[in-house]
Amino acid sequence: GAVVSQHPSWVICKSGTSVKIECRSLDFQATTMFWYRQFPKQSLMLMATSNEGSKATYEQGVEKDKFLINHASLTLSTLTVTSAHPEDSSFYICSASDGLEGETQYFGPGTRLLVL
Amino acid sequence: EDQVTQSPEALRLQEGESSSLNCSYTVSGLRGLFWYRQDPGKGPEFLFTLYSAGEEKEKERLKATLTKKESFLHITAPKPEDSATYLCAVQAGASYGKLTFGQGTILTVHP
Repeated sequence: GAVVSQHPSWVICKSGTSVKIECRSLDFQATTMFWYRQFPKQSLMLMATSNEGSKATYEQGVEKDKFLINHASLTLSTLTVTSAHPEDSSFYICSASDGLEGETQYFGPGTRLLVL
Repeated sequence: EDQVTQSPEALRLQEGESSSLNCSYTVSGLRGLFWYRQDPGKGPEFLFTLYSAGEEKEKERLKATLTKKESFLHITAPKPEDSATYLCAVQAGASYGKLTFGQGTILTVHP
């Protein structure tokens, strides 16, 4: 149980284009989903928290107009990187919580983004 | 501000050589402490959640314990497939589910 998927697993795009990453909870309903960014050999950095049907809460320093988050249902959240630039290249990971078991977060496999 | 410090940064063990990883934390009202395993290029895999001092949980060769200031992840007779980065994270009572992660311990188990 508690499986989270992400799509795509990797993406290469040109500078200036937008990229959408999907995060799905496959066998449970996620009351809350989180989006993280991870740089090489570093720990996870929380970007934003999203609840189904409401606006995402962004961490300090994260541009909400650049990283658009939509949590349209209890099983799907999307992160859109708008007008991507090379500095946006990173490993993006989502997690989902069902609100049970101490709000344990279950993570997706991650999406590797490379902006040329 | 919630803080999590993991030590050592890296640990090399021979197969079968038991050891422990440390996670020290300061948090306002601990709601839960979490251990994850992360393999290169993958998302973290959930291992344990601990809620209160004195609590212990086991899974195969891993055992997690919790005190009021730190948590230990004990690895008994490790195998090469246990090699990974182990992440510790805390959740504060007023954090709305947010996790604060440590920097991780990179474990390498040699055959």
